[in-house]
Amino acid sequence: ETGVTQSPTHLIKTRGQQVTLRCSSQSGHNTVSWYQQALGQGPQFIFQYYREEENGRGNFPPRFSGLQFPNYSSELNVNALELDDSALYLCASSLDRAHNEKLFFGSGTQLSVL
Amino acid sequence: KNEVEQSPQNLTAQEGEFITINCSYSVGISALHWLQQHPGGGIVSLFMLSSGKKKHGRLIATINIQEKHSSLHITASHPRDSAVYICAVNSGGSNYKLTFGKGTLLTVNP
Repeated sequence: ETGVTQSPTHLIKTRGQQVTLRCSSQSGHNTVSWYQQALGQGPQFIFQYYREEENGRGNFPPRFSGLQFPNYSSELNVNALELDDSALYLCASSLDRAHNEKLFFGSGTQLSVL
Repeated sequence: KNEVEQSPQNLTAQEGEFITINCSYSVGISALHWLQQHPGGGIVSLFMLSSGKKKHGRLIATINIQEKHSSLHITASHPRDSAVYICAVNSGGSNYKLTFGKGTLLTVNP
């Protein structure tokens, strides 16, 4: 049990739709990062939020956006869904934004885009 | 070439065997993480290393900063150790991203 929960666990959308994925971090963890993991691949960094502001971003287009709230929850929003967005989306929280502390991952949201 | 390379990609062992999984990286790092991912997706953090060696139960992780190499060892392997083991590095800088290897699928047969 990592103390990080994600919802929903599974989601099916069609191309062009919009989706919001949610993550509830451990209390006190100011940093949350989101990752996309395609089947058979390692996770890819989407972005990180620290104290409600975006703190770093990977090679993902602007239609991937996020929010972090004062209650340690966060959202990943994806607009104009494409077939290639089908993946497992993971969030991870930590005390330290430099990832020099232990990471706590959620179980992920499996997104299928048809 | 990926910044983080793991070997082997797949590993099958018999219960009780000693397991070694390797991770090499090409950038300077401030920390390296070993993670375990079971079918269904959930990832568990095993170790975070910046130097030396750490041990937790039957798991041992080592890192050689000069050689840019880390190993994860499992002693007396058990079928419940079957999972994907992923190495991830934090290369520092202002973009605090982790770069992940593709993972090593370990299957331990009884």
